[in-house]
Amino acid sequence: EVQLVESGGGLVQPGRSLRLSCAASGFTFDDYAIHWVRQVQGKGLEWVSGISWNSGSIGYGDSVKGRFTISRDNAKNSLYLQMNSLRTEDTAVYYCAKARTTGTWADFADWGQGTLVTVSS
Amino acid sequence: SYGLTQPPSVSLAPGKTARITCGGNNIGSYSVHWYQKKPGQAPVLVIYADRDRPSGIPERFSGSNSGNTATLTISRVEAGDEADYYCQIWDSRTDHVQFGGGTRLTVL
Repeated sequence: EVQLVESGGGLVQPGRSLRLSCAASGFTFDDYAIHWVRQVQGKGLEWVSGISWNSGSIGYGDSVKGRFTISRDNAKNSLYLQMNSLRTEDTAVYYCAKARTTGTWADFADWGQGTLVTVSS
Repeated sequence: SYGLTQPPSVSLAPGKTARITCGGNNIGSYSVHWYQKKPGQAPVLVIYADRDRPSGIPERFSGSNSGNTATLTISRVEAGDEADYYCQIWDSRTDHVQFGGGTRLTVL
């Protein structure tokens, strides 16, 4: 069974940093692209960032580009999101989401339960 | 960035057919995926690549995509289908993933 478990969320002040993690199990982690997607309470889904199986291809949404950095450690079956210069508008539930197959980039067949990030003074 | 337009809400009685649209310029040239999102739960992929259903998704869910509109169709709507539904594409020109704004399906 595929499992994605996010951690690292919490309350942080504007301008500070936070690092999210996503621990994966139940599949061959280094075969799949994996992404971060967030949802502000009461709003829609927003793509944050994605990374290919070998970290050779990386993308970011316009609202986080230059502030957030995605990375993965295939030896540890883990995905990360380093979030710097946080803003109040970054307050959201952050999900990690796995591509459906080894050959696809962004059709998200499996999701974690999410971790809440609150940016507030 | 490429824009995807969904109606904010769709309401209908149980047993009816719901059609949720996703509009975009020449969206028919993209591969469209659909997600169901219930409060407090992770999104669930219900349709991928325009019209294919993941295992475990009822046959009542179907999809189509042509021209400037992609459509998620839910036949014989049930109370358990009440949720927000999002369309999504990957724009290879910009290497961006785009979600539609979401449609709230209410079963009366």
